[in-house]
Amino acid sequence: QSVLTQPPSVSAAPGQKVTISCSGSSSNIGNNYVSWYQQFPGTAPKLLIYENNKRLSGIPDRFSGSKSGTSATLGITGLQTGDEADYYCGTWDNSLNTGVFGGGTKLTVL
Amino acid sequence: QLQLQESGPGLVKPSETLSLTCGVSGYSISRGYTWGWIRQPPGKGLEWIGYIYHSGSTYYNPSLKSRVTILVDTSKNQFSLNLSSVTAADTAVYYCARYSSGSYFFDYWGQGTLVTVSS
Repeated sequence: QSVLTQPPSVSAAPGQKVTISCSGSSSNIGNNYVSWYQQFPGTAPKLLIYENNKRLSGIPDRFSGSKSGTSATLGITGLQTGDEADYYCGTWDNSLNTGVFGGGTKLTVL
Repeated sequence: QLQLQESGPGLVKPSETLSLTCGVSGYSISRGYTWGWIRQPPGKGLEWIGYIYHSGSTYYNPSLKSRVTILVDTSKNQFSLNLSSVTAADTAVYYCARYSSGSYFFDYWGQGTLVTVSS
């Protein structure tokens, strides 16, 4: 059971928009920066978004991040088949005194 | 371009110590930043293990703290992970990465190495 809750899967058609939620609490998301990672099968995670909404250099502006209260959201517009991957959110938990990740969300582009 | 590369045995026996090294190229560890380890059991999500400052100060996941040691060797520009008393539950892909401890994100990752715990 992950400290941060993500939907196991989301899907949308090519060209459409999808959002992936990451729900936490005041001990983690509510008081700390959130980051988002993309992981293709058999490869290492890749940082997409850091400090809630900042895109890493080279990441297309189709990817966006936001945070409100104890939840964060990754948005992807203009979906492409190449976006099919697992997506993870991450932050720090002040109560557990450790970094934490969400359980991951598998994105399917139909 | 900063690159990280994990190395170490792919098979460890139960109750023994898992030891991995992460070689860093394209950036001198002694310049700063923190350097961390993450693992991912087959088919599962990511687990945060811990990190080390270039100075040698460390921070570990409390759930693993009694078994984890992370060390840095600035002369070789590498850092290492030791995990003692391993069980099958420690079977995972282990990643090393550069960590921004102030903003809580990993920006550069190694390719990962699978470590299987089995007799």
